[in-house]
Amino acid sequence: AQSVTQLDSHVSVSEGTPVLLRCNYSSSYSPSLFWYVQHPNKGLQLLLKYTSAATLVKGINGFEAEFKKSETSFHLTKPSAHMSDAAEYFCVVSSNAGKSTFGDGTTLTVKP
Amino acid sequence: DAMVIQNPRYQVTQFGKPVTLSCSQTLNHNVMYWYQQKSSQAPKLLFHYYDKDFNNEADTPDNFQSRRPNTSFCFLDIRSPGLGDAAMYLCATSQTTWVSAGANVLTFGAGSRLTVL
Repeated sequence: AQSVTQLDSHVSVSEGTPVLLRCNYSSSYSPSLFWYVQHPNKGLQLLLKYTSAATLVKGINGFEAEFKKSETSFHLTKPSAHMSDAAEYFCVVSSNAGKSTFGDGTTLTVKP
Repeated sequence: DAMVIQNPRYQVTQFGKPVTLSCSQTLNHNVMYWYQQKSSQAPKLLFHYYDKDFNNEADTPDNFQSRRPNTSFCFLDIRSPGLGDAAMYLCATSQTTWVSAGANVLTFGAGSRLTVL
């Protein structure tokens, strides 16, 4: 069995300040973990993925995430938020059974 | 450049009037998925095709059907839409083998937003 918990349903930051979106997972297997972003009325776009290689993963648009097995976490960070980062973010875990489980999402608001 | 294309982007139907949503892909991926996403919620998997093999989620209502006539196309049929079926419907694809199933990167289309009057 696997599950994903996104610890914050809403995060609000000022433009130019750091972003932290938190994700904890549970998996019976060595998981693959993903972050996707969804802008309003659009499909989901892959930001980054972890698949048992380097624990610090760099993605698009300056985002990165660190896989911490001891903490079962995969938090998403960005040093400096941009207005265009305002969107919904989903943390996803995938097992060797090929099934993807989504977190409930975190809405990121960026204030000018 | 678009790789997963959904049509129509917006669909309005009447209560009980059948509707079909389409998805096409240029990626030649072997797996195609249909997700339902209601406002402010995570996408919910309805079913997926692994090649020609159809896999239905246990809680997907019988009102929802799917067809995959070839590798490139997949259709979602809603036989008798109810007000509760109003949602964004997302098609996604992946190239998945059982060896690499854990690295299941999904490529999504832009979605079809269904309104039921």
